[in-house]
Amino acid sequence: EDQVTQSPEALRLQEGESSSLNCSYTVSGLRGLFWYRQDPGKGPEFLFTLYSAGEEKEKERLKATLTKKESFLHITAPKPEDSATYLCAVRASGGSYIPTFGRGTSLIVHP
Amino acid sequence: SAVISQKPSRDICQRGTSLTIQCQVDSQVTMMFWYRQQPGQSLTLIATANQGSEATYESGFVIDKFPISRPNLTFSTLTVSNMSPEDSSIYLCSVIGTGDAYTFGSGTRLTVV
Repeated sequence: EDQVTQSPEALRLQEGESSSLNCSYTVSGLRGLFWYRQDPGKGPEFLFTLYSAGEEKEKERLKATLTKKESFLHITAPKPEDSATYLCAVRASGGSYIPTFGRGTSLIVHP
Repeated sequence: SAVISQKPSRDICQRGTSLTIQCQVDSQVTMMFWYRQQPGQSLTLIATANQGSEATYESGFVIDKFPISRPNLTFSTLTVSNMSPEDSSIYLCSVIGTGDAYTFGSGTRLTVV
């Protein structure tokens, strides 16, 4: 059974204080690992897809990296508008279209 | 990537009533997915809806409680029937977009009183 564990559950940062969010996963062959941002009461907003170990992707202050067992979402010099819940999901290879989601990390950035 | 319009965005309903949630996609898609997200929890898949066939429900979800329609390749509805306070959640529809990324609707925040 595919599993995704995100840590920490909650993270409070001061504006400008860089940090990383962790997504550990087990999957029977990785087709893709996804990062999403979700604001309260809204649907998840797609950030990145990573396909293979060693891959990295960046968008503004966010950088996602991937190893064979985990992914990190690095947030550099965060701003209050980066406050949100960040979700990680994996999709296994082999024909399944259903991703497995983690519970998310709730990030609050204080000004 | 696909754009999904979901409505209503929120509703407060009396127990025992039903609510139908609609999702309209701006392009034709084979599969649409319906999720539930309870407070502090991850996304839980309710069912997969394919056009022209019965929806496929995940364990713990049944058609009588969550009937789904998929009349064409751009539209789907999910009905939450005979609601109880335990049905209070965010309901989301989703499709697979370009590059395997999943696109979500804006969500329906349902409160049952």
